[in-house]
Amino acid sequence: GENVEQHPSTLSVQEGDSAVIKCTYSDSASNYFPWYKQELGKRPQLIIDIRSNVGEKKDQRIAVTLNKTAKHFSLHITETQPEDSAVYFCAASIRGSQGNLIFGKGTKLSVKP
Amino acid sequence: EPEVTQTPSHQVTQMGQEVILRCVPISNHLYFYWYRQILGQKVEFLVSFYNNEISEKSEIFDDQFSVERPDGSNFTLKIRSTKLEDSAMYFCARGAGGGNNEQFFGPGTRLTVL
Repeated sequence: GENVEQHPSTLSVQEGDSAVIKCTYSDSASNYFPWYKQELGKRPQLIIDIRSNVGEKKDQRIAVTLNKTAKHFSLHITETQPEDSAVYFCAASIRGSQGNLIFGKGTKLSVKP
Repeated sequence: EPEVTQTPSHQVTQMGQEVILRCVPISNHLYFYWYRQILGQKVEFLVSFYNNEISEKSEIFDDQFSVERPDGSNFTLKIRSTKLEDSAMYFCARGAGGGNNEQFFGPGTRLTVL
């Protein structure tokens, strides 16, 4: 089955710097890749997603890139703010956004003011 | 948000007891999912439910687990005989169907098995 690896497990940046989180997946049939942000004690919240027919997607300070050949995708956060501090999870699905999501282990991002 | 609510927010039970966790959609959705998250770990898929039938289930979703939509609205996850390792956050997620069926998570139920 699908396996999603996520790096780094922790990431600390200064406010205003950029943060990059990387994920790799094993199943070349995967075609949907969402990113979720989870604050302490809260639910995972969808922040951005990308489908396999697109190489890059951007939403304000957040962008996601996908390299299907290498089977990896990345989350880029620019101009980080303290409120970006949270755990970020990548996920993959082989049945589009309807299919079950296989999650990575998460990255704890700390943005220092 | 939230587009689904979950009850209870916290459930404490003794090992071997049955628990029922509930997910209540606020509007009509076709797809439902149950995930769990053991404290400090990643989110794990349990089961998906489409049009009142199980669509997919993971290896975690063994005979101890069942899902129902008893009244056509509420969506339940039952664990028949809880084990200590069932202690986790259980999230219900909904998808709207169609081409943009993003999954949005409910607030979760924290299950503690003593």
